[in-house]
Amino acid sequence: DIQMTQSPSSLSASVGDRVTVTCRASQNIRSNLNWYQQKPGRAPNLLIYAASSLQSGVTSRFSGSGSGTDFTLTISSLQPEDFATYYCQQSHTTPRTFGQGTTVEIK
Amino acid sequence: QVQLVESGGGLVKPGGSLRLSCAASGFTFSNYYMNWIRQAPGKGLEWVSYISSSGISIYYADSVKGRFTISRDNAKNSLYLEMNSLRAEDTAVYYCARDNGYDSAWRFDYWGQGTLVTVSS
Repeated sequence: DIQMTQSPSSLSASVGDRVTVTCRASQNIRSNLNWYQQKPGRAPNLLIYAASSLQSGVTSRFSGSGSGTDFTLTISSLQPEDFATYYCQQSHTTPRTFGQGTTVEIK
Repeated sequence: QVQLVESGGGLVKPGGSLRLSCAASGFTFSNYYMNWIRQAPGKGLEWVSYISSSGISIYYADSVKGRFTISRDNAKNSLYLEMNSLRAEDTAVYYCARDNGYDSAWRFDYWGQGTLVTVSS
């Protein structure tokens, strides 16, 4: 199975900050990497697919980059509604595996 | 609009069984692969199983293989998960999720609200 490792596990940031979350795959997954946002008590919501494609309806504050084994999710200017947990997920092979999550908290 | 609504969760004793359902609407259900994904309380996301649009291809996570069975009824726009020999570690919110493979970029683009399964004596 492909292991997905996110860093950091949590971070504190202020409104307006630029925030970066990284995800590393245990083997080459090309661009088969998705990012999801989850708020407490809610289902995950797709933000980015294929490493850098913005899902329809998602604000352009979110962007993704990377290929191979190293990927990045960037929030350009953190807004109050962005405080949540973020997960990466590989779709290169089955089983589809998720990272352990990164919680973005208010500083 | 796309909607996925899970049902069937509840409290069950270890070794017991439960059947989850997911009712789909707002899209052509028979055109899409579908998945079950779970989340234990306070933990991360774990993919459980997927089924192809026709139902011919099915995969399971090792943690549930031999105990869980995924199925679908395209005439009823419904997805199912039959869970047997349940264990405490199966306690989780179970989500159904649509698998979108347009442009070969597979992603879970719509999720249901989830149904809670609690395995406890």
